[in-house]
Order: sequence, then C-alpha cells, then structure tokens
Amino acid sequence: GESVGLHLPTLSVQEGDNSIINCAYSNSASDYFIWYKQESGKGPQFIIDIRSNMDKRQGQRVTVLLNKTVKHLSLQIAATQPGDSAVYFCAEKFMEYGNKLVFGAGTILRVKS
Amino acid sequence: GAVVSQHPSWVICKSGTSVKIECRSLDFQATTMFWYRQFPKQSLMLMATSNEGSKATYEQGVEKDKFLINHASLTLSTLTVTSAHPEDSSFYICSARMAGRNTEAFFGQGTRLTVV
Repeated sequence: GESVGLHLPTLSVQEGDNSIINCAYSNSASDYFIWYKQESGKGPQFIIDIRSNMDKRQGQRVTVLLNKTVKHLSLQIAATQPGDSAVYFCAEKFMEYGNKLVFGAGTILRVKS
Repeated sequence: GAVVSQHPSWVICKSGTSVKIECRSLDFQATTMFWYRQFPKQSLMLMATSNEGSKATYEQGVEKDKFLINHASLTLSTLTVTSAHPEDSSFYICSARMAGRNTEAFFGQGTRLTVV
C-alpha cells in the first residue's frame, strides 16, 4: 500500500532532552501534513499540522519543520517527558485522491528516566 | 470538541461470523469518514473512504464485499467484517473529518478484533 516514510525506527532519549523524529514523503503535490501520536491500544492523537506553503510551525513544546526540496518532515519535541513515549506517525494529505490521509511507517519514541 | 467514538473497543468472534464496528462523531457532523487497519508494530493502512449518503471508495486490494461500509448519517459510519477469519484479526480505526473542512481528521480509539 501507499506509505509516507520508509522506516520504523526506535528513538531513545533521556528525559529532559529534545527529540527529533523524521519522516520522508514521496508525493511532492501533497499540500498538508500532520503529526500524530499513538499510545498502545489507542487511536492516533493529533499533535500538530503544517501546510505546504509553510516551512515551520510551532506548538506547545513541539515544532514541525517541512523541507519541500528534499521532501522531508520533522517533529521536534522539547524537554521530552516520559508521557511522550509512544509511536509517532507523519501523515500526508493527497488532495488529488479525495483528500485521504496516508500514514508513514512510524517511529517509536522511548523516554528514559 | 471533535470527539470520535468507536464501538466496541474490542470484540472476539468465531470464524465465519460477521462483526459490525461503529464509528460516531459525537459533537460534529462528518461528511467523510475513513477506515484504517493496523497490524502490530505497523502503520495505519487506509482501507476505504466513506462519504455520507454515497458508496465508499475502497483502496486497492481491499475487498469491498468482505468489508462492508455504510455511512448513512453525518455522525455514523459502520464497518462490517463479513465471514471473519483469523487473518482478519487486527486493530481497526476510524477517523472523521468535519463537514466543510478538508484538513485534519479526528480518530476514534480503535477496535481490537480477534477472530478465533
């Protein structure tokens, strides 16, 4: 099936450090990207989004960066906390395909106390 | 606001039976709902896009006669897994997009289906 991102890596960080989670996408025509957090046994939870006409957007403790030149998206989490441990997915909206969201492979974030 | 609820949260059924999963938008109207399937330690795979009052659009490789989707109202979509088999065991997740918006979608908590 379709997939944004090519890996399912695990990122381990020390509590209090900053985390950077990366995602590569394939469709240069995508106009909207979202980061989701998924805890075990639950549905994805919206974190932050960004439109393709932006290259950076900040939220509370999170920042999303978009590099359209290399089709790369990143999520930065400041002062990572144990509650941030989860799987993080980037998703890409395919406007020409009925605005469906296609998910990347995901990254497991483990926060060490 | 923007709460999506799935029911049941988990279900165990016998092989050969059918199971219905409900997805409700509790505090908004959703013209579009999406159904995903997720295997352990894998990403969400889109199964179908459901638009209120019309037939669902299925992704390539998804059997529409096996996974019946109905979106009869602006707040309810259902996914029925017909003649379930053990390989249908998975985590099924729905999401709903607000009417008039084409951006973010809100997700339900998922339904764990186990076919024995």
